[in-house]
Amino acid sequence: SAVISQKPSRDICQRGTSLTIQCQVDSQVTMMFWYRQQPGQSLTLIATANQGSEATYESGFVIDKFPISRPNLTFSTLTVSNMSPEDSSIYLCSVWSREQFFGPGTRLTVL
Amino acid sequence: GEDVEQSLFLSVREGDSSVINCTYTDSSSTYLYWYKQEPGAGLQLLTYIFSNMDMKQDQRLTVLLNKKDKHLSLRIADTQTGDSAIYFCAENPSGGYNKLIFGAGTRLAVHP
Repeated sequence: SAVISQKPSRDICQRGTSLTIQCQVDSQVTMMFWYRQQPGQSLTLIATANQGSEATYESGFVIDKFPISRPNLTFSTLTVSNMSPEDSSIYLCSVWSREQFFGPGTRLTVL
Repeated sequence: GEDVEQSLFLSVREGDSSVINCTYTDSSSTYLYWYKQEPGAGLQLLTYIFSNMDMKQDQRLTVLLNKKDKHLSLRIADTQTGDSAIYFCAENPSGGYNKLIFGAGTRLAVHP
């Protein structure tokens, strides 16, 4: 199994600012994923982050808004840039390690 | 297209069985999953079924898959208050490590 931690667990931010979310895994994994869960909604994949290459973004998500770093096989960051209230969501890091594991999520509220 | 649908809410009495239903559209899905999300917590993988199976049982959980109708169900026997959570159905169209397509989630409420 893979144990995933995320920081921060929650934050309240002002419109127009940016927040960087960290994801740490207790083992080396090739593929890491970032999902968004808007209030009362299901999970939507934002992007897939591979170490040593640029992240692959899903339709509707762009690098300028959600820049991702993947410096090594156990760590990734997702930045939510120039935030607006519509970005208020839970952001979840996920990894594939013989099955899909999810982190506890970062609950973001944008005022 | 890729779409997963679930009913949004289910209420059961403690001790009864719960059945949560899900339909999916991608017949190439190789794995189908059930995740549990408790209030304020992340997603927990409950169980999954490979597409060439029609049933999988794991203690109180029974997963039934009707591939012809693209219908998946999760049965929880002897439902307890600790089972109150949101249950997400998800499909993995490409198998292996690829994106999961999630349903909207079914909120299960267990009452005495």
